[in-house]
Amino acid sequence: SQQGEEDPQALSIQEGENATMNCSYKTSINNLQWYRQNSGRGLVHLILIRSNEREKHSGRLRVTLDTSKKSSSLLITASRAADTASYFCATVSGSARQLTFGSGTQLTVLP
Amino acid sequence: EPEVTQTPSHQVTQMGQEVILRCVPISNHLYFYWYRQILGQKVEFLVSFYNNEISEKSEIFDDQFSVERPDGSNFTLKIRSTKLEDSAMYFCASRELAGVDTQYFGPGTRLTVL
Repeated sequence: SQQGEEDPQALSIQEGENATMNCSYKTSINNLQWYRQNSGRGLVHLILIRSNEREKHSGRLRVTLDTSKKSSSLLITASRAADTASYFCATVSGSARQLTFGSGTQLTVLP
Repeated sequence: EPEVTQTPSHQVTQMGQEVILRCVPISNHLYFYWYRQILGQKVEFLVSFYNNEISEKSEIFDDQFSVERPDGSNFTLKIRSTKLEDSAMYFCASRELAGVDTQYFGPGTRLTVL
């Protein structure tokens, strides 16, 4: 089964607007992470939310977690053109704590 | 700020050739990973490495793949006989401690197999 499926697949907004991306997963988790990937580049860790947390903030990022629905959302407020990237949620699995990524949301912020 | 580095940034090879992708993880990290991302697809886990041995590997990581930590800083992924379908971005990642799940990724190596 796939962990961490995001929607929408693509999102295009104007600079200054808020962007919301959603992620669903299938198994129980200890935490859920969000990563960002600029085109053709590596992944950058944005934020980690633990299973006993419902909401977490970091700068313009707000993450929520609903373990009863097995879903998470990432909100980017007051978006900037530089926020244009792909955003992935990831869950941890296995004894080696490897990450299982979703398919990602491609966010385009238009200036 | 410490970062994971990878070389080369782009590798072009002929089918059947061997390639070695190199990574230098963050120096005090203990857990190391390789992931790959075929163009337009998800990032997929390949293998994890801890205490000088493979701790877990995916179905993708078959006998043509191997990993090594030849010294205290480098972490390599070798593909013995490349196939066309090995063309992908390969990412190295490292993690500091048990109980800390955040992974730090390198910029990736784009492997093109012709």
